[in-house]
Amino acid sequence: NAGVMQNPRHLVRRRGQEARLRCSPMKGHSHVYWYRQLPEEGLKFMVYLQKENIIDESGMPKERFSAEFPKEGPSILRIQQVVRGDSAAYFCASSPTPGADQPQHFGDGTRLSIL
Amino acid sequence: GENVEQHPSTLSVQEGDSAVIKCTYSDSASNYFPWYKQELGKGPQLIIDIRSNVGEKKDQRIAVTLNKTAKHFSLHITETQPEDSAVYFCAEGGTGNQFYFGTGTSLTVIP
Repeated sequence: NAGVMQNPRHLVRRRGQEARLRCSPMKGHSHVYWYRQLPEEGLKFMVYLQKENIIDESGMPKERFSAEFPKEGPSILRIQQVVRGDSAAYFCASSPTPGADQPQHFGDGTRLSIL
Repeated sequence: GENVEQHPSTLSVQEGDSAVIKCTYSDSASNYFPWYKQELGKGPQLIIDIRSNVGEKKDQRIAVTLNKTAKHFSLHITETQPEDSAVYFCAEGGTGNQFYFGTGTSLTVIP
């Protein structure tokens, strides 16, 4: 009865490198949401995906950031050419049905540090 | 929508006392309001939620109240215990695909 699984838990990258964050939703959930949390702040929405489709990417920067949720395997949040400002905790949530009028269940996040 | 205000930002209470955290929102179309507890190094954990068709919901020591007219909702924790110490976030949802989170309340329960 695993919850939302995220890996790695901690990721260190140097400026200019690529960061890949993975998220496996809860069993039976086909809706995945990515949020970013800066220190001492709340979570900010980035992107919402269903299997093989990006539904809403209104919160994701247009450059360097991309997300996918393939038919098989986890959802991936990819950050290219990382900069210091990308340092944050990235959380993934999942739900069994679409929309923001249902509970979203969160993983324990990936803490990204940029040197 | 985006304007979810949460107060206070920090709260200290003696063990056994009650704690109250308040949030206000601006989108009158919002109809779902969850509360999350986040412990250090962990992800947010849903502790209670309320929909706009009810005014109050209770689960043991935790309760949430909603005033749709005034657009505010509150979390009430009674008989607080040290393990209640954490950061609590309110959120607003129901329209669109995302939750809008408050900025969090760091609750410390003093034994």
